[in-house]
Amino acid sequence: AQRVTQPEKLLSVFKGAPVELKCNYSYSGSPELFWYVQYSRQRLQLLLRHISRESIKGFTADLNKGETSFHLKKPFAQEEDSAMYYCALLTGANNLFFGTGTRLTVIP
Amino acid sequence: DGGITQSPKYLFRKEGQNVTLSCEQNLNHDAMYWYRQDPGQGLRLIYYSQIVNDFQKGDIAEGYSVSREKKESFPLTVTSAQKNPTAFYLCASSRDGGANVLTFGAGSRLTVL
Repeated sequence: AQRVTQPEKLLSVFKGAPVELKCNYSYSGSPELFWYVQYSRQRLQLLLRHISRESIKGFTADLNKGETSFHLKKPFAQEEDSAMYYCALLTGANNLFFGTGTRLTVIP
Repeated sequence: DGGITQSPKYLFRKEGQNVTLSCEQNLNHDAMYWYRQDPGQGLRLIYYSQIVNDFQKGDIAEGYSVSREKKESFPLTVTSAQKNPTAFYLCASSRDGGANVLTFGAGSRLTVL
């Protein structure tokens, strides 16, 4: 069965420090993974997806099939990065499975 | 102003009553989705519809029903059979039926008294 695990419910880092939000998945098919973000008082929105191999707002995420991970990273955290982050896995049944989320707080 | 509109934002219901949550989109998206969000559990898929007049059960469809009579609308009914209906409900849509890039509504919070 498919599963998305985000082991940290809360993560605090200082401004300017590197940040890594962990995501591990379990899926027997070919995974397609995403990071969604919800800023305070805003709607949940797509941050990035692995197939695009892009950097959004300084964030990157690399799919590691060997470790079944899709960790989200940013070298220098900013205060505006404080938000709730969800890792999501798309299955062949057109079903997007979400993890339980990690709340990131960047301390000034 | 394009997007997804969910209403009502807050809803209170007595036990034993059915309630319908509205979701309307003007993005011309083919697919629409309903998720339930509970603290510590992330988002769980209730129902989704890839085209008009067709919909599929998600992981937690029991106690819920939907309809998709128009492309723009995907209402969710929370029936009295849903044992724990108090939750935050999110509607989303995507272009071309692919669930990869979802546009979300602002959500509806249902409280059962």
